[in-house]
Amino acid sequence: AQKVTQAQTEISVVEKEDVTLDCVYETRDTTYYLFWYKQPPSGELVFLIRRNSFDEQNEISGRYSWNFQKSTSSFNFTITASQVVDSAVYFCALTPHGGSNYKLTFGKGTLLTVNP
Amino acid sequence: ETGVTQSPTHLIKTRGQQVTLRCSSQSGHNTVSWYQQALGQGPQFIFQYYREEENGRGNFPPRFSGLQFPNYSSELNVNALELDDSALYLCASSSLDREGTEAFFGQGTRLTVV
Repeated sequence: AQKVTQAQTEISVVEKEDVTLDCVYETRDTTYYLFWYKQPPSGELVFLIRRNSFDEQNEISGRYSWNFQKSTSSFNFTITASQVVDSAVYFCALTPHGGSNYKLTFGKGTLLTVNP
Repeated sequence: ETGVTQSPTHLIKTRGQQVTLRCSSQSGHNTVSWYQQALGQGPQFIFQYYREEENGRGNFPPRFSGLQFPNYSSELNVNALELDDSALYLCASSSLDREGTEAFFGQGTRLTVV
């Protein structure tokens, strides 16, 4: 069975602060993919990043960065210099590598509010 | 924009009725997955269609059923609606032929059962 835990239900910051969203996962699969999605009030899930379990390199994309640590089963997401437009619900998700099924297991999400 | 379109965007139904939700997949994708997202929760996997066949199912009863058409668009049907079926229904378009490719989601259909 797979499980994704996002312990932070809500986070509120002031614009320009850095913020880290935590994600811890459980899986019996030796290889898997991890994802982060953003869900603005409109409802659509917007893809942010995919990480293969083979690749533990951290990644930076503009103000976004991701820290994948297989030893602690964590895949944390940091927004640097947050902006009001970053306000949304953020989901971490997991799917097994390979096989005939592509089923995303999501965490419960973290509501990020960035105040001006 | 992802190119994944869902219709309708909002729907109100009465308990016991049946509903059909629709999803068009992104060009080049042959796989559609459906998810149910209750308020304040993460999306839960309902089932997946790959090349017109059901290819995996989550923990949902048989009154949740689906179809995928030759153009890879898909329908989700729910019979005998219950109040707990009220949720945002999301479809995701991807391609199982390209492993690990990200799934692109539509804007969802918000279903309210009264």
